[in-house]
Amino acid sequence: DVKVTQSSRYLVKRTGEKVFLECVQDMDHENMFWYRQDPGLGLRLIYFSYDVKMKEKGDIPEGYSVSREKKERFSLILESASTNQTSMYLCASSLSIGAGETQYFGPGTRLLVL
Amino acid sequence: DQQVKQNSPSLSVQEGRISILNCDYTNSMFDYFLWYKKYPAEGPTFLISISSIKDKNEDGRFTVFLNKSAKHLSLHIVPSQPGDSAVYFCAASDAGGSYIPTFGRGTSLIVHP
Repeated sequence: DVKVTQSSRYLVKRTGEKVFLECVQDMDHENMFWYRQDPGLGLRLIYFSYDVKMKEKGDIPEGYSVSREKKERFSLILESASTNQTSMYLCASSLSIGAGETQYFGPGTRLLVL
Repeated sequence: DQQVKQNSPSLSVQEGRISILNCDYTNSMFDYFLWYKKYPAEGPTFLISISSIKDKNEDGRFTVFLNKSAKHLSLHIVPSQPGDSAVYFCAASDAGGSYIPTFGRGTSLIVHP
């Protein structure tokens, strides 16, 4: 079974803080993704990575950066957290590139920025 | 501009009856479609998929129908069970372009005992 883990289930941060969200997958997947889920807006792609040290912007990259130094780990960084970044953050991985590739999601990190 | 639309934010169904969740798309290049199911406080999990070369795919109680001319797909759950209560996301991708799936906004299904 593929397992995707996220470092925290709940986080409370203050405006202006630098925030790190960590994601680890244990199945040697090539691709990793960061989404945020907001009520009424579904899943929106922030960044994805198809290889170590490679990254691509998704639909809403502003205010975020990512790091992938090892194949199994994909980090999302909020350089200076703002209240509009309060959200549920979901990490996902997939084995390879392909339209029908199933994504495996972590349990999510609910971030509250005060 | 939403390319994948789930126009019903919520759906309530009696246990044992059929649940029909709908999804419309605007991008004619989409050729692969997936449904994910999400329980509260958990990540989405893959449920069922269909490629554009088919018009139906079935897996147990779950069937997905694709109508390419109408750019419409639907997920049927028969019979519905209380454990099916979750948010269902429709996703679509384009094998010849960006393979990254585009997600709809989700439909919250509640199955009443």
